[in-house]
Amino acid sequence: RKEVEQDPGPFNVPEGATVAFNCTYSNSASQSFFWYRQDCRKEPKLLMSVYSSGNEDGRFTAQLNRASQYISLLIRDSKLSDSATYLCVVIPAGGTSYGKLTFGQGTILTVHP
Amino acid sequence: DAGVIQSPRHEVTEMGQEVTLRCKPISGHDYLFWYRQTMMRGLELLIYFNNNVPIDDSGMPEDRFSAKMPNASFSTLKIQPSEPRDSAVYFCASSFRGLGTEAFFGQGTRLTVV
Repeated sequence: RKEVEQDPGPFNVPEGATVAFNCTYSNSASQSFFWYRQDCRKEPKLLMSVYSSGNEDGRFTAQLNRASQYISLLIRDSKLSDSATYLCVVIPAGGTSYGKLTFGQGTILTVHP
Repeated sequence: DAGVIQSPRHEVTEMGQEVTLRCKPISGHDYLFWYRQTMMRGLELLIYFNNNVPIDDSGMPEDRFSAKMPNASFSTLKIQPSEPRDSAVYFCASSFRGLGTEAFFGQGTRLTVV
């Protein structure tokens, strides 16, 4: 089983739609979680951190479910500029993997007019 | 700060040649990561360093790959000999304290082995 798994999509949605991505992780000791965004032929960049209580940044909401070991990203009122690949990232807390940044495969989102 | 700097941006080489990719992390960052990205396999962690010491190199595909970090401001990833299946985009990233903090990526090196 992969350490971090995502539905690769692609997700094709119209402008204004709400879309949600999930990501599961296998290491129950994981402590830090993030969503990164990667535009075509560019480097990944941090979109938002994911906190235990859930967090929101404008149209973006991230949630963590430790019991089921998954994180989610919800995008409301999709814009054309949201088209990108969304990568979930997990970092374990300790042991030999301390600090190891592990990425999921990425979910491709295309927002069309 | 200029961010994470990688060189070269593009590299085309013939099979069997040695390839060296370079990375300068953000000053003050103590974690450095090397990733490889392909369409088929996504973003794979090859190796990462903490305070210039390799912590986990389990992602290095085989002995043809080696990485060094001689000081806090420089790291190299070497492939010798290179093969066509090594063609990919190689990213370097750095972070401070590793856990719970943002990792910043360089713009990547697009490697093509023919």
